Order: sequence, then structure tokens, then C-alpha cells
Amino acid sequence: QKEVEQDPGPLSVPEGAIVSLNCTYSNSAFQYFMWYRQYSRKGPELLMYTYSSGNKEDGRFTAQVDKSSKYISLFIRDSQPSDSATYLCAMSKGGSYIPTFGRGTSLIVHP
Amino acid sequence: DVKVTQSSRYLVKRTGEKVFLECVQDMDHENMFWYRQDPGLGLRLIYFSYDVKMKEKGDIPEGYSVSREKKERFSLILESASTNQTSMYLCASSLPGQGTYEQYFGPGTRLTVT
Repeated sequence: QKEVEQDPGPLSVPEGAIVSLNCTYSNSAFQYFMWYRQYSRKGPELLMYTYSSGNKEDGRFTAQVDKSSKYISLFIRDSQPSDSATYLCAMSKGGSYIPTFGRGTSLIVHP
Repeated sequence: DVKVTQSSRYLVKRTGEKVFLECVQDMDHENMFWYRQDPGLGLRLIYFSYDVKMKEKGDIPEGYSVSREKKERFSLILESASTNQTSMYLCASSLPGQGTYEQYFGPGTRLTVT
């Protein structure tokens, strides 16, 4: 079992839909949780990060961490075709600068 | 803005060739990383470096070596390229002491070994 599990998709939704992207993990030592977005033929870029449990909102994006269930989510409201990309979750332990990445979920938002 | 640049976007090499992939970052970051990214396998860490002349093996170092002679530059070397090293190679950098919550990635080099 991988430390971080992420469904590769693709997830195809109509424009305007609410998108939910998820990762589960097995290592309870993870404290920092990140979401990266990667457009085709580009490098990943950090979208959001959270420390420990709770929610964090940034515009149309909300990151949620449930440490008791070892489950993290990224919600995208009012999805746009420009949101079409691969979304990678990543997480790291306190004091470590090596994150563990999920395999990424491919999201397609069609007009 | 942090900028991580990689020497080539696309590269085609022959089996057995020695291949150099260069990465440069302009934000004085201590940490630098090399990953490869393959469909279905995600990002896999090859090597990382937390200081000049320091290097540590990642999850898949076999067939690769690295060099970090200057803080801003981290090179990945394929000693004798093989077809199973055909992949997207991504370089990243980060600052220590911030919980690793942000790695800055370059645009990637798509390497094809024929």
C-alpha cells in the first residue's frame, strides 16, 4: 500500500460544477498537506497548503484536512475550463523537507 | 517570483549516451530536488541536495548521479542512458525550515532515449 493514495481519474465535469478531489494517507506523522496543480507539459505549482487539521479557503478553492480519518480534500467551486489540469496532493512530516506525493488526479472541465 | 529553469524542454538521446540535465534556481534556496514523472507512477524522487556539494539518494537513484557545485545549480547525470529512462524530468527547489510546504518546480525536460 502506498503512503498516499489518489485516484488518477480522469474526472470530467461540466463548467460550473463543484469538484471534489481527494487523497488518503496511512502515515499519521504527516503534518503539512499541500495541493499542486500541473497543467499539461508544465511543472507543478503550489495551489494551497494547510498545517494539521481544518479548512483553508482561497477564492474558489477550499482545502480540507481530516487527520482522524487520514483524508484530505480539495474543493473547487464554479469550476472553469481553465481548471483542467492534473492535481497532485502532497504531504510531509514535521522537520522533513521531502514531501510524499500522490499520483495526481486528472481533471477535465468541459464548457 | 522564484524561477527554476531547466536547460532543455525536449531532449532525444541514444542508448548508452551520457546525458546531462541542468537546473538553475534564482532564489538562493538551499534544497534542490530531481524527480521523474511517469504516467500512472506519479512523481518519484531521484536525488536531492540540501547544500552545495551535498547529495542524498531518493527513491530511485539507480542509473543516475548528481552534481551540485554551486548553490543555484543542480545537475542530473545519466551515466549511460537506457530506454527505461525515457521520462519527464522535473527539478524543484525549496527553503529549509518552513515545513516543506512549498517546492518550486521547473518546466520539466521530456527526455526520450532511443
